Amino acid sequence: DAKTTQPNSMESNEEEPVHLPCNHSTISGTDYIHWYRQLPSQGPEYVIHGLTSNVNNRMASLAIAEDRKSSTLILHRATLRDAAVYYCILRTIGGATNKLIFGTGTLLAVQP
Amino acid sequence: SQTIHQWPATLVQPVGSPLSLECTVEGTSNPNLYWYRQAAGRGLQLLFYSVGIGQISSEVPQNLSASRPQDRQFILSSKKLLLSDSGFYLCAWNRGWRDSPLHFGNGTRLTVT
Repeated sequence: DAKTTQPNSMESNEEEPVHLPCNHSTISGTDYIHWYRQLPSQGPEYVIHGLTSNVNNRMASLAIAEDRKSSTLILHRATLRDAAVYYCILRTIGGATNKLIFGTGTLLAVQP
Repeated sequence: SQTIHQWPATLVQPVGSPLSLECTVEGTSNPNLYWYRQAAGRGLQLLFYSVGIGQISSEVPQNLSASRPQDRQFILSSKKLLLSDSGFYLCAWNRGWRDSPLHFGNGTRLTVT
C-alpha cells in the first residue's frame, strides 16, 4: 500500500482556516485519498475523500495537487470541536477489499 | 440508515483470560467488516478484515482471532490475553464499492491486568 506523510501536530486559532497537509508521493493512478478524524476516546469519523478533483462537503474541503502527490484538508473556520487527530489515507481500487491502513495522523489543537 | 454496534464499551480482564468482543451492523447487507486496534497514543492498526461470511483475512500475527458467523456480525476473540493486548478496539464497516468510506463503532477499551 502507498504511504502517506503528515506533520505530527498543528495548532490553529478558533474561527481561522486550517490547512492540514498530506504527502503521498508514491500514489498510484487508482488510489483514492481519504481523510478521517478521531476525537478523544471515540472511533474515527469519515471527513471527505477524492480522486483527482477538489472536493467540498459540509465538513471540509479537499484540495488535491495536480500531480496527486500531495493533498490538503481545509477546515474553513476552526472550532474547538475540530480539535482531533486527522488521518490522511490512500485506498487502492481493484484490490480484494476496501482495507484502509492508517498512519499516526496530525494532532490538531485549536486555541480559543 | 446504517448503524454499527460494538460492545462492551470498557473491559478489564486478567492476563490469561479469554476475550470475546462483538460487533454488529444494521441497515445494510454484505458489508466489509474490520477490526482495528489502537494502543495508547498510537495510530490504528488493522487486525482483521472480512468480505463475507466465514472469510477472514489477518493482517498481523498475534494471539487474537476473528470470526464472522453471520453476514452482519463480526467477533474478535482470544483464548489467553496478554498484557500487550490492552488497547482500544474498533470495529468498522464499509461497502464493496471502490470509494466507500469506513464507518466506525464507538470502540471497546480493553485493559489487561
